[in-house]
Amino acid sequence: DAGVTQSPTHLIKTRGQQVTLRCSPKSGHDTVSWYQQALGQGPQFIFQYYEEEERQRGNFPDRFSGHQFPNYSSELNVNALLLGDSALYLCASSLGQGSGSPLHFGNGTRLTVT
Amino acid sequence: GNSVTQMEGPVTLSEEAFLTINCTYTATGYPSLFWYVQYPGEGLQLLLKATKADDKGSNKGFEATYRKETTSFHLEKGSVQVSDSAVYFCALSTRNAGNNRKLIWGLGTSLAVNP
Repeated sequence: DAGVTQSPTHLIKTRGQQVTLRCSPKSGHDTVSWYQQALGQGPQFIFQYYEEEERQRGNFPDRFSGHQFPNYSSELNVNALLLGDSALYLCASSLGQGSGSPLHFGNGTRLTVT
Repeated sequence: GNSVTQMEGPVTLSEEAFLTINCTYTATGYPSLFWYVQYPGEGLQLLLKATKADDKGSNKGFEATYRKETTSFHLEKGSVQVSDSAVYFCALSTRNAGNNRKLIWGLGTSLAVNP
C-alpha cells in the first residue's frame, strides 16, 4: 500500500524563478493538503484540494497556487520565488473532509532558494 | 481563534525516563486532537488521536487524554527509548461552515533521549 509520495525530494532554485512540486496521495485518499515547514517551526497550512477545487486556503500570497487532477494527485506551484520561500514543503492526504480523518504525510520536498 | 500551545523544547531525557510534553488548545466547537511525530529527515507521522472529550489516544507506549475541562492533550510515555528521539507536534482539527477541515499546529517540541 503506497503512502503519500512527493517529488522531487530536494530542489535548488534562484530568486524570481518558478517551481512546481508534485504529490501523489495515499491509495484511497481523495483530499490533498499542502504545508510549508520552515526550519525549526511547525507546519503552516497553505491550501487544501478536494474534488479538483481549492477548498481552503491559509495565509499565503497568490504566488502560491495549486491544482488537483482527476486521479487525486496534486501540484503546488510557487512563482517569483523569494529567499523566504526556502522550506520543507509537505503534502498530506486524507479521505473526505471530516474532522476525525487523520492526515498522512509524505516525506516532503526540501526547497532551497538562493 | 483556534490555536495550539506546546511546551518549549528541547527536552533531553535519559533512556527509561518518564516523558510528558504539555499541550493546551483554544478552539470553538469540538475539535479533534492529534499528536504527530517527525523523525530526523522524515515527514510527519500520526502518533495518536482523540476525537471527543475524555477519549484516550495511545500508540507505541505513548498516551494522551482529551481533557475538555482543562483544554489539554498532554503526551506521556512511561519509559522512553533512544529511538523516540524526534520532534513532536500537537495539532487540532476543526471544520468550518463549509465542512472543510484544517489542522492547526503547535510549534513542536524536540525530544532527545540519551542512552
